[in-house]
Amino acid sequence: NAGVTQTPKFQVLKTGQSMTLQCAQDMNHEYMSWYRQDPGMGLRLIHYSVGAGITDQGEVPNGYNVSRSTTEDFPLRLLSAAPSQTSVYFCASSYTNRGHNEKLFFGSGTQLSVL
Amino acid sequence: AQSVAQPEDQVNVAEGNPLTVKCTYSVSGNPYLFWYVQYPNRGLQFLLKYITGDNLVKGSYGFEAEFNKSQTSFHLKKPSALVSDSALYFCAVRDSGYSTLTFGKGTMLLVSP
Repeated sequence: NAGVTQTPKFQVLKTGQSMTLQCAQDMNHEYMSWYRQDPGMGLRLIHYSVGAGITDQGEVPNGYNVSRSTTEDFPLRLLSAAPSQTSVYFCASSYTNRGHNEKLFFGSGTQLSVL
Repeated sequence: AQSVAQPEDQVNVAEGNPLTVKCTYSVSGNPYLFWYVQYPNRGLQFLLKYITGDNLVKGSYGFEAEFNKSQTSFHLKKPSALVSDSALYFCAVRDSGYSTLTFGKGTMLLVSP
């Protein structure tokens, strides 16, 4: 049982480059989300999805795009990387974001540096 | 709007002593409250949650949390700390009218032998 799988684990980009962070879950979860973790700021929500074909913005969406073509996959795209996007990125999924079955499962993270 | 505060950046406790990690929240509706733990170089792991029911919630690894509506608090507790409990702890809240969680900034718990 793999849970939530994120790739790559580490990435270094130059300013202006684009890339995609991959996230896949094998638990048939409806809800998937992307967070960034910065020192002293906790976790901030970038984008989320409540099901295939449905995405919405979180607290800090600028500079990021997402899509949800399947239940399993939720890639995060950086369109033109900036140093301010240097962070640790976590993908998380849950059976639901409503009620008693609400419980996030996190991937192991992607450490991204933008030079 | 919904928000959560963890007033302590770090909590230090000796092994075997009780520990408390504080969390207060602000919501306009009913709160759904969560605690997550992050060990070094790992993703967050779910510890426990309060949705409705008993104010004292028991979770993984011997942790518990008490929901106090009048004080808008949801402090994490453990009767006897272990060195292996040393980690970063996050409180999170979701207003019943919202669809996403808001996390606190995290509290580093250091348990000394």
